[in-house]
Amino acid sequence: EVQVVESGGGLVQPGGSLRLSCAASGFTFSNHWMSWVRQAPGRGLEWVANIKQDAGELYYVDSVKGRFTISRDNARNSVHLQMSSLRVEDTAIYYCARGLASFGYVLDNWGQGTLVTVSS
Amino acid sequence: DIVMTQSPDSLAVSLGERATINCKSSQTVLHSSNNWNFLAWYQQKPGQSPKLLFYWASTRGSGVPDRFSSSGSGTDFTLTISSLQAEDVAVYYCQQYYSRPHTFGQGTKLEIK
Repeated sequence: EVQVVESGGGLVQPGGSLRLSCAASGFTFSNHWMSWVRQAPGRGLEWVANIKQDAGELYYVDSVKGRFTISRDNARNSVHLQMSSLRVEDTAIYYCARGLASFGYVLDNWGQGTLVTVSS
Repeated sequence: DIVMTQSPDSLAVSLGERATINCKSSQTVLHSSNNWNFLAWYQQKPGQSPKLLFYWASTRGSGVPDRFSSSGSGTDFTLTISSLQAEDVAVYYCQQYYSRPHTFGQGTKLEIK
């Protein structure tokens, strides 16, 4: 069974840092793009970042560029989102999602999400 | 950035009736090189994570019932549920993956009348 499970969320003060992790299982991780998508409380979905199979391509939404870094470890079947200089507006559920093998930008399996709260 | 606008914001439909959700992009998501529309639909049930319904505008995702259909091209797209079931109560999102950032529509909340 394909699974992606996020962890690492929590409460952090503005300006702080947090590292999210996503553990993948049930598929050949190194064959898939991976993405992070977030959802502020009661709001819609916002694509945040994605990473190619070999980490040779990384992309971010403008609002997190320079503050967030996506990375992956194909040996450990995991993808990470290092978040720094966090702002109140970064408060959201962060979902890890797998891209289709045939086209990595289409997100065919999503985790349950991990909640990040940025507040003083 | 490509802006995705869905209509309506919310919709109440009787069980067994048709539900139609529209999605309009601020610029084309039809790629001229292959004639494919870089458009996906996702369903998010209450308290759950999103689920892929369609990609390439009309290719059904794994396990999606055939009462769901999707159509459209260029800038205008439609998601249709032919006969609404109780389990279809959800928020539906369109997303373009033609250009980064891969923007979503604001969502359409579908309820039972």
